[in-house]
Amino acid sequence: NAGVTQTPKFRVLKTGQSMTLLCAQDMNHEYMYWYRQDPGMGLRLIHYSVGEGTTAKGEVPDGYNVSRLKKQNFLLGLESAAPSQTSVYFCASSSWGNNQPQHFGDGTRLSIL
Amino acid sequence: GQSLEQPSEVTAVEGAIVQINCTYQTSGFYGLSWYQQHDGGAPTFLSYNALDGLEETGRFSSFLSRSDSYGYLLLQELQMKDSASYFCAVRGATGANNLFFGTGTRLTVIP
Repeated sequence: NAGVTQTPKFRVLKTGQSMTLLCAQDMNHEYMYWYRQDPGMGLRLIHYSVGEGTTAKGEVPDGYNVSRLKKQNFLLGLESAAPSQTSVYFCASSSWGNNQPQHFGDGTRLSIL
Repeated sequence: GQSLEQPSEVTAVEGAIVQINCTYQTSGFYGLSWYQQHDGGAPTFLSYNALDGLEETGRFSSFLSRSDSYGYLLLQELQMKDSASYFCAVRGATGANNLFFGTGTRLTVIP
């Protein structure tokens, strides 16, 4: 059982380039999330989704877009990358119901030069 | 909004007990969770408290006092592999199990 899989694991971009991070889960979870983690700042929620076809903004949504066309996939897009978006990005999923634990992927380490 | 405070670093001896505290401010409380993250790894769920009191899971226990807006994670019989960062988190009010994380406590276990 793979759980939550993120691709790619590492990426280096130049300022202004675009890219999409892919998250896939095989646990049939309704909820999915994208976080970024910066040194000393913990995890901050970028966007989340409560089901196929729905997305919503989290704490730090600016500069990112997301889509959830299929229940098992949640995509995070950077349209025009900026150095401030250098971070480690984590995807997570959880099942429906109050306070179900979130299951995290291994992260994508993104550097923007 | 939400804010959480936890110590940035804690050091403890192998075999000992350590307590990691977390105080929170939140508009509407829906539970306090704890996650563990080893260097370079993914966060993993440890425990959750919705009501006051102690929840025990093996060597790990978590405590909550809603009246004090305070909780802690207790790790017993510390092992070297417990060296990691520990995050407390509160759930947001959106109903989607969104979590707002603290900045984490880095635990170092020494021989």
